[in-house]
Parts: sequence; C-alpha cells; structure tokens
Amino acid sequence: LAKTTQPISMDSYEGQEVNITCSHNNIATNDYITWYQQFPSQGPRFIIQGYKTKVTNEVASLFIPADRKSSTLSLPRVSLSDTAVYYCLVGSMDTGRRALTFGSGTRLQVQP
Amino acid sequence: DVKVTQSSRYLVKRTGEKVFLECVQDMDHENMFWYRQDPGLGLRLIYFSYDVKMKEKGDIPEGYSVSREKKERFSLILESASTNQTSMYLCASSESGYTKNIQYFGAGTRLSVL
Repeated sequence: LAKTTQPISMDSYEGQEVNITCSHNNIATNDYITWYQQFPSQGPRFIIQGYKTKVTNEVASLFIPADRKSSTLSLPRVSLSDTAVYYCLVGSMDTGRRALTFGSGTRLQVQP
Repeated sequence: DVKVTQSSRYLVKRTGEKVFLECVQDMDHENMFWYRQDPGLGLRLIYFSYDVKMKEKGDIPEGYSVSREKKERFSLILESASTNQTSMYLCASSESGYTKNIQYFGAGTRLSVL
C-alpha cells in the first residue's frame, strides 16, 4: 500500500502562497494523487487530482515530479477561509488495485 | 451537485448495541466508501463497495460489516458496539470512469459508544 506522509501543521498569512508536500514513496503505476480540504464538522471536499507533471484549476495547482514519489499542493494567495486541514489521497479504484490511503492531514492556519 | 447524505449527525449508543449508519447518494455513483476519522490518525478506510451487493474490506474492517442492497444506499453496521468504536464516521461515493478516484463525502456521523 502507498503510505503517505504530510507535515502536521503549517502557518501562513493572508495573500501568501502556500505549498504543502505529501510523500508517497511506494506509489503504484495506476495510482492517482488527490487532494482534499476539510473544515471542522464537515466531510472532506475535493480540491484537485493529478497523475503526473502539473495540474491547475481555479483554486490550486498540483505539482508531481517525474518519479511521482511526492506531490505538492500549491494554494496561491491564501485567505482566512483557507484555514482547514488538507489531505492527500493516493490510490486507485482500478480493478485489482483498490487501495486508498489518506495522509494524516496538514492543518493550515492562515493569519490576517 | 453531488449530494451524499448520512442519516444522523450525532449518535449515542451503549456498549453491545447493534448500530446502523446509513448513507445515501443521489448521483448514481457505482462506488461507495465508509471511513472513520480519529484525531491524529486521519481517515482510515473501513469498507467500500463497487457495485450493488459487492464489497471489499479496507484497512480496518474488524468489528464492522456493510450492506449495499440498492445502488444509492450503503450501510455500515456495528454488530456489537464497543467504546473503541467511538469516532467520526464518513461516507463517500465516486463514479466509474476517468473521475472514479474523486470521492464526494457526507457531513459525517459522530458516534459515541458509552
């Protein structure tokens, strides 16, 4: 199974760019990397997903190096409302490989 | 928008009781999941289902069972609740196809076993 490791917590200020890295040394060929955001008393919410290289959407970018053993979630110009816990999920629902492993999460605190 | 609804936000049960946690999704998703979330341990997969009546064990299935009789509904069953099953339980669903690894979560059920 792909084990994931994330920093426990990070602090930032409004307007800064935040980069959160997830290590997944034994990622498998079929595995995707997916990031979620979770606020207190809510379920996680999908942010972004990638397989390799770089993916960007309206809220974040995801950088995945060629060896895919890590990934970095980049949040541009964070605001107070980005204070949350961020999880990376490595795995796949493809037949024969249904392992899904969440990281322990990174608690991001954004200060004014 | 995808909607995943968990039947209860809070439950209090006694040790030894049989507990049912219900989850319903409205987007015709093939895949459904049950996780538990504990402080410092993140989300851990209990069971998932990739089709009606089909299920597979996740990382921590001991003490739990599941039922999926209809596509939209996935139930988690604690046959005999114990205090170490006090936790937040999260249900999720995902579709097949290229977005199959994107999961949509319910709001969670906080279960306390006394």
